[in-house]
Amino acid sequence: KAGVTQTPRYLIKTRGQQVTLSCSPISGHRSVSWYQQTPGQGLQFLFEYFSETQRNKGNFPGRFSGRQFSNSRSEMNVSTLELGDSALYLCASSFGDHTEAFFGQGTRLTVV
Amino acid sequence: SQQGEEDPQALSIQEGENATMNCSYKTSINNLQWYRQNSGRGLVHLILIRSNEREKHSGRLRVTLDTSKKSSSLLITASRAADTASYFCATVATYTGANSKLTFGKGITLSVRP
Repeated sequence: KAGVTQTPRYLIKTRGQQVTLSCSPISGHRSVSWYQQTPGQGLQFLFEYFSETQRNKGNFPGRFSGRQFSNSRSEMNVSTLELGDSALYLCASSFGDHTEAFFGQGTRLTVV
Repeated sequence: SQQGEEDPQALSIQEGENATMNCSYKTSINNLQWYRQNSGRGLVHLILIRSNEREKHSGRLRVTLDTSKKSSSLLITASRAADTASYFCATVATYTGANSKLTFGKGITLSVRP
């Protein structure tokens, strides 16, 4: 069974630009969550999607958004990039509630 | 915001020794999970323990959970150099709508010397 796939693996963007990250969950998993990891703040929850609906949202500004498609693939978008958005963005998929999460390798975003 | 704290923040041991890592959390939980991360890559799920369980084993891993103290410990026995990584505990809260949301601690850096 293929794992969680995130693309691209690395991105360099300029302040003010926008970026879209993609995540393909494990087949059969309908829950997809996104996390931001930085040295200063650690791992922080961004949002969770289940059956194309956002079920949970973390404490991030509206510049961070996401969506989920009918095949459970998910994208997250960050608009008007700031230097502080530089981070490792991790996607995780789960089969159901209160079960283990399987993480992708992450997308390393650098904003210059 | 982080749910809790792990301690120690860093641990260095010799290959073959046991490594014990502790995690504390703040709210009522449905379950607690431990993850490993190698060099800023993706997280690998190690073990999940539910709030009604006290101890769980998986290979060289032993996890305990004390909900009265809101704490958990992860024991890695007979450590290997390949166990060198960062370890995170994460909780799923009990409130309605928590679903799959994981709240992570700050992590513990484990170094296993050959």
